[in-house]
Amino acid sequence: DTGVSQNPRHKITKRGQNVTFRCDPISEHNRLYWYRQTLGQGPEFLTYFQNEAQLEKSRLLSDRFSAERPKGSFSTLEIQRTEQGDSAMYLCASSFVEGHYGYTFGSGTRLTVV
Amino acid sequence: KNQVEQSPQSLIILEGKNCTLQCNYTVSPFSNLRWYKQDTGRGPVSLTIMTFSENTKSNGRYTATLDADTKQSSLHITASQLSDSASYICVVSLLNSGNTPLVFGKGTRLSVIA
Repeated sequence: DTGVSQNPRHKITKRGQNVTFRCDPISEHNRLYWYRQTLGQGPEFLTYFQNEAQLEKSRLLSDRFSAERPKGSFSTLEIQRTEQGDSAMYLCASSFVEGHYGYTFGSGTRLTVV
Repeated sequence: KNQVEQSPQSLIILEGKNCTLQCNYTVSPFSNLRWYKQDTGRGPVSLTIMTFSENTKSNGRYTATLDADTKQSSLHITASQLSDSASYICVVSLLNSGNTPLVFGKGTRLSVIA
């Protein structure tokens, strides 16, 4: 297991298009998190899963955003009708439930909406 | 309100010099504090993690300190190298939090120049 894997690394899309990102967490980790990070800022929480259950969604996650983790393994984050303000780095992280140890980030997907 | 404040916002130092980055937090209940290094365009990578009872932890040339009474932490980098140029993010974990367990600082942007 080489850590948290995210694909694609970069995505350029036209405004109004839909995009989907994938995250493969560390296999032993129950929890999976999605964050958004804009330039010069720390990561902002979007949502997280414990196994396949989505337990919390931030108010940052508008109705254009949806995340799934259908079998409790990999997760997808979809953005519909992208806007220029969606341009950011989307980070995925995974961890064990207890103590939040082993909290590991992926390398992120850089989205540019033109 | 749970917050993590970092200073300075940015820092430029000469290769070989030492530097210290600061982190103040108002997070309760506190579980642990982590320092991450984030290279441009990459996900954060964990440097150190300290619980309430730990005052200092080292990882190579990186040494983190924690004063849980004053709610302050520092990250000291010794004999800086050009590859240390990155953002350093302080992250505080909430105790027994079932959701949004991490509070992120905005980071300190370190540039090491020759």
